[in-house]
Amino acid sequence: EAGVAQSPRYKIIEKRQSVAFWCNPISGHATLYWYQQILGQGPKLLIQFQNNGVVDDSQLPKDRFSAERLKGVDSTLKIQPAKLEDSAVYLCASSFSGNQPQHFGDGTRLSIL
Amino acid sequence: DQQVKQNSPSLSVQEGRISILNCDYTNSMFDYFLWYKKYPAEGPTFLISISSIKDKNEDGRFTVFLNKSAKHLSLHIVPSQPGDSAVYFCAASTGNQFYFGTGTSLTVIP
Repeated sequence: EAGVAQSPRYKIIEKRQSVAFWCNPISGHATLYWYQQILGQGPKLLIQFQNNGVVDDSQLPKDRFSAERLKGVDSTLKIQPAKLEDSAVYLCASSFSGNQPQHFGDGTRLSIL
Repeated sequence: DQQVKQNSPSLSVQEGRISILNCDYTNSMFDYFLWYKKYPAEGPTFLISISSIKDKNEDGRFTVFLNKSAKHLSLHIVPSQPGDSAVYFCAASTGNQFYFGTGTSLTVIP
């Protein structure tokens, strides 16, 4: 079984630029999560999708972050414009349904200069 | 507000001995608890979970204990092996939303 795929693995941009991350979940997994993990902290949920619908985006900074999962499979997370405090690892995870163990990708490490 | 706390940032244990990792939570509505293991430059990997209707779940060398009255869970690894050296995150859920602790870095000394 192929795992959760994320790209790119690393990204360096300057503040005020935009960036996008891509995630392809495990086949058949209806639930997809995006997490932000700042150094020294645990993952923090940004947004959760069930198929192509948003279940929870209460912690997503909507003035600069957006995410979509148009066909209920892969997903993109965008930041525009980026701020210095957005430097973090962005993790994508998926599960067959909600309230089940999640399978994580290896993340995208974002550095803002 | 940190609803899930891991107060020990690091732990060192001799190979073959028991490793005990602790986690405290504040929300009494949490009904599902998990432990994840994370190696550098990789995403977290699911290790073991427990439902709030149980107080113990075992899987090989890994056992998770849940004390609901104390809002405390722990992960026991027996015997500890050098390959267990990683960061361990506990997580708790109230249905769909998961909350993670800040992690404990375990080092198993050969």
